[in-house]
Amino acid sequence: EAQVTQNPRYLITVTGKKLTVTCSQNMNHEYMSWYRQDPGLGLRQIYYSMNVEVTDKGDVPEGYKVSRKEKRNFPLILESPSPNQTSLYFCASSLLGQPDTQYFGPGTRLTVL
Amino acid sequence: RKEVEQDPGPFNVPEGATVAFNCTYSNSASQSFFWYRQDCRKEPKLLMSVYSSGNEDGRFTAQLNRASQYISLLIRDSKLSDSATYLCVVKLDNAGNMLTFGGGTRLMVKP
Repeated sequence: EAQVTQNPRYLITVTGKKLTVTCSQNMNHEYMSWYRQDPGLGLRQIYYSMNVEVTDKGDVPEGYKVSRKEKRNFPLILESPSPNQTSLYFCASSLLGQPDTQYFGPGTRLTVL
Repeated sequence: RKEVEQDPGPFNVPEGATVAFNCTYSNSASQSFFWYRQDCRKEPKLLMSVYSSGNEDGRFTAQLNRASQYISLLIRDSKLSDSATYLCVVKLDNAGNMLTFGGGTRLMVKP
């Protein structure tokens, strides 16, 4: 079954405690991205990757890092989380040049106290 | 001004009603257009792509007006299961796979 998985699904943490949200896809997609979704602001792209070792900033990259060492994985790293990073996070993947093939992961609800 | 704007709703309609959503986009270089559906607390899922000539998929019809820079989604014979948030999404011509999402329009279909 084609899918994008994220872990953890829910996380409550405290300011400054480094965390990683994992994302994995089994569709051999080149393109992967991270979004955050906040009420009234919609989905905003944080970072994206067009292939292994190729990453770039989206619209709201501040406070986040990513890596793409393998094609299937695209972890999102918050080195020093702050309360304004409390949000619902989605990972997505698609074939390069074919955004209509985009699949989203189930989401990670993060609360930073 | 937001790049993609939608009326957040909610649109409360009875079962069987026809409902239409509009979405406007600000960048005339936008090239590809989509409607996504998002159920409460779930991930967005592609509902349909929007083509220049308009397209239909069962009870759903999407239209694109490039001159006025708006996209519409029409749902006929609404079902309870259509209750969700509908996201308007655009892609710039040279943006690769990068998509810009509207804030979504919430639809609630009542018995």
